[in-house]
Amino acid sequence: QSALTQPASVSGSPGQSITISCTGTSSDVGGYNYVSWYQQHPGKAPKLMIYDVTNRPSGVSDRFSGSKSGNTASLTISGLLTEDEADYYCGSYTSSGTVFFGGGTKLTVL
Amino acid sequence: EVQLEESGGGLVQSGGSLRLSCAASTFTFTDYAMSWVRLAPGRGLEWVSAITGTGYTTFYADSVKGRFTISRDNSKNTLYLQMNSLRVDDTAVYYCAKARRVVIPFDSWGQGTLVTVSS
Repeated sequence: QSALTQPASVSGSPGQSITISCTGTSSDVGGYNYVSWYQQHPGKAPKLMIYDVTNRPSGVSDRFSGSKSGNTASLTISGLLTEDEADYYCGSYTSSGTVFFGGGTKLTVL
Repeated sequence: EVQLEESGGGLVQSGGSLRLSCAASTFTFTDYAMSWVRLAPGRGLEWVSAITGTGYTTFYADSVKGRFTISRDNSKNTLYLQMNSLRVDDTAVYYCAKARRVVIPFDSWGQGTLVTVSS
């Protein structure tokens, strides 16, 4: 059981939008604006897609966006492409000075 | 482009030890905190440990506290993870990651090194 809760899988068709949720507590997701999202293709290193809830690193498509409400953060991918098919993980700073990740969400682009 | 290259993984028996290394290049190593993150088979990412740029402060996940030690040699631009009393559930790909702040977010990752602990 992971510290942050994500759906195990989501799916969408090319061109559609999907949202992945990440639920924690007031000691992590809800307590700090230090939520980040990572994309991982099989056999590859994770890649930072969103940091500090809403910010995109240079080079990341603006089809990726992040938000947060209370203890739940969300990643939205719009205009789905087949290359978006991957595992997505949320991560959050915690009140203990550590990091929790979610269990990961497998995105399938049908 | 940031370069991070892990090494030192391998097969070890339960109770054994391994030391992982992560060679960093193309950025000012001392300016950044670093972390180790692992991905176990069939499980998600798990943060393991972090160390500040100076090396003076370290952080550990409860699952490895007392068994693993993170360190760095800034003169060699290298990060280390000494892993003792290894358990079967420590089996994972171990990544080193560069942090934008002390602990999170991680903006650059190595390709990982596989650690397999047998019973």
